[in-house]
Amino acid sequence: GAVVSQHPSRVICKSGTSVKIECRSLDFQATTMFWYRQFPKQSLMLMATSNEGSKATYEQGVEKDKFLINHASLTLSTLTVTSAHPEDSSFYICSAVPGLAYEQYFGPGTRLTVT
Amino acid sequence: AQTVTQSQPEMSVQEAETVTLSCTYDTSENNYYLFWYKQPPSRQMILVIRQEAYKQQNATENRFSVNFQKAAKSFSLKISDSQLGDTAMYFCAFMKHWAGNKLVFGAGTILRVKS
Repeated sequence: GAVVSQHPSRVICKSGTSVKIECRSLDFQATTMFWYRQFPKQSLMLMATSNEGSKATYEQGVEKDKFLINHASLTLSTLTVTSAHPEDSSFYICSAVPGLAYEQYFGPGTRLTVT
Repeated sequence: AQTVTQSQPEMSVQEAETVTLSCTYDTSENNYYLFWYKQPPSRQMILVIRQEAYKQQNATENRFSVNFQKAAKSFSLKISDSQLGDTAMYFCAFMKHWAGNKLVFGAGTILRVKS
């Protein structure tokens, strides 16, 4: 149980375009989802907290207009990287928290390459 | 703010041997959770073990055990009978109780198991 999926697993896009990454909780409802960014051999950096039905809470230094997060249902959160640039290339990971639980379950990640 | 420190960027261990990964944290909270996550080359985050701060007994999960020293704010992970599949990056993480399920990660330790 507690499976989280991400789609796509890899995406290459051209500079200036937008790309959407989906995060789904497959067998539970998630009131809270988190989005992380990870550079090679580094730790996970929290970008934002996504709560179903409300606006996402962004961490300091994260541009909310560039990284649009939508949590429209209890099983789906999306991260849209708008007007992507090569410096946005990274590994993006989502996690989800079931109901009243505290533990985060992680998706497999999405590798974004902006050319 | 809470911080998590992993002072060993890289470690190696011979197959079947035992290795201990260090983690210290700084907090003024009394109720919290601590976690060790494993991130193998696939980059899927996998929960290895968790510890509730109110529990004095050290958590164990098969070959994995922790040494939780609350007063010293130390939370080390011991891997016994190391296997090649244990090769991964290991992250220590802290979560404050009733604080939105946010995780604070350490910088990580790369563990290589050698045959």
